Amino acid sequence: DADVTQTPRNRITKTGKRIMLECSQTKGHDRMYWYRQDPGLGLRLIYYSFDVKDINKGEISDGYSVSRQAQAKFSLSLESAIPNQTALYFCATSRSTGFTDTQYFGPGTRLTVL
Amino acid sequence: QKEVEQDPGPLSVPEGAIVSLNCTYSNSAFQYFMWYRQYSRKGPELLMYTYSSGNKEDGRFTAQVDKSSKYISLFIRDSQPSDSATYLCVMSEVRGNTGNQFYFGTGTSLTVIP
Repeated sequence: DADVTQTPRNRITKTGKRIMLECSQTKGHDRMYWYRQDPGLGLRLIYYSFDVKDINKGEISDGYSVSRQAQAKFSLSLESAIPNQTALYFCATSRSTGFTDTQYFGPGTRLTVL
Repeated sequence: QKEVEQDPGPLSVPEGAIVSLNCTYSNSAFQYFMWYRQYSRKGPELLMYTYSSGNKEDGRFTAQVDKSSKYISLFIRDSQPSDSATYLCVMSEVRGNTGNQFYFGTGTSLTVIP
């Protein structure tokens, strides 16, 4: 079984709809992240969480919100989806080591907003 | 100026060729350098990481860091069709328990032709 799972894997929705992307991990990591990937722009950080009570905005948080329901679960919501939120979304996890950490990515969710 | 610059390619080589993938960066505080490999429709996976200048070898892969020139490279020897993927360079400062911010290159698309 995959260590980091994302649901759904693909989603097509309409402008103005609310949508939630979910991420679960079995790695026992305390840190979780949401990124979006766009052609030519690479990966950009949306939100990150270092533990259940910690939520931080990333580079491009406008239009998104997150919830850390448990150490193993981190969900990303688009309250009112718009077409320029069409992208590939990745969840990632890492474990704080006191020096640095390495991120492990889920398989991604391909979101299309019409 | 972006923190990390990476030639997007695409790069196409014959099987068995030596491949050189490169990134430059502007932040002299970066100390942790990673290469991720991303197959089509998959999440990025960590390939190699290094903390210091010099070379680090792992099988057919060699990561090279030149901090004086702010330049990193990934060399792939005896390239195989299974190496066909997008390669992302990722960098961070080392901040200990306060966590790292990761800076991603946009990725280089590599195709190895049988």
